[in-house]
Amino acid sequence: GQQLNQSPQSMFIQEGEDVSMNCTSSSIFNTWLWYKQDPGEGPVLLIALYKAGELTSNGRLTAQFGITRKDSFLNISASIPSDVGIYFCAGQLPGSSNTGKLIFGQGTTLQVKP
Amino acid sequence: EAQVTQNPRYLITVTGKKLTVTCSQNMNHEYMSWYRQDPGLGLRQIYYSMNVEVTDKGDVPEGYKVSRKEKRNFPLILESPSPNQTSLYFCASSLHGTGGRTGELFFGEGSRLTVL
Repeated sequence: GQQLNQSPQSMFIQEGEDVSMNCTSSSIFNTWLWYKQDPGEGPVLLIALYKAGELTSNGRLTAQFGITRKDSFLNISASIPSDVGIYFCAGQLPGSSNTGKLIFGQGTTLQVKP
Repeated sequence: EAQVTQNPRYLITVTGKKLTVTCSQNMNHEYMSWYRQDPGLGLRQIYYSMNVEVTDKGDVPEGYKVSRKEKRNFPLILESPSPNQTSLYFCASSLHGTGGRTGELFFGEGSRLTVL
C-alpha cells in the first residue's frame, strides 16, 4: 500500500535547539498534516496544510507543504522539555477527503534533554 | 470539554470472546473513524463513518464491525477476536464530513487490547 517515509526515526536533542523532520512519498498528496502523540494519549493535530508551497506556523512550530506535493517538513524552534513525544506526518491522497483516509508516517520520536 | 471518549482503555481477553469498544464524541461531529496503531506499521484505518447510518471499510477492516446509529457514538465490534487483533485502538472524529477536511481529526485516548 501507500507509504510515507518519515525521518529521522528518532532524535535526542538539547533544550533550546531547533528540530527538523520530514516526510516524503512517491505519490502526490492533496493534504499534509502533522500530529503529535504524548505517551498514553491519542495524537493531537498540530498543523494542517492544503496547498502546495503553503507555509504555516503554530507557535514555535512551522510546517510546509512541498511544491512537488510529495513531501512536507516540520520545524520546531527553541525546543523545550514538553516537546517530547512522537510526531507523525499524515497525508491524504487526491479523492480521499470524502473517506477521511489518512496515510501516516512511521513517526519521529523526539527526546529533549533539559 | 470537547472530547472523544473510548472504553475500555485497557482490556485483556481470550480468543473468540466477543467484545465491543465504545466511542463517543461530544462535538456534534459528522465524521468518525477507527484506527489501530501497531509498532512499525503506524496508524491504519479500520472503518469510517461519514454520518449516521453511513459506514465504510478502511484499510484493515477484516475481523471488525461497526455501527453508527447515533451521531455521537461509533462502537467497534470484534465478533471473534484473534491474537493478531492485539493492538492499540483509536477512535477519532472530525467536524468536516461531506465538506472535506476530514483529515483534521480529534483522537480519543486509545484502547489497548490484548487477545490471548
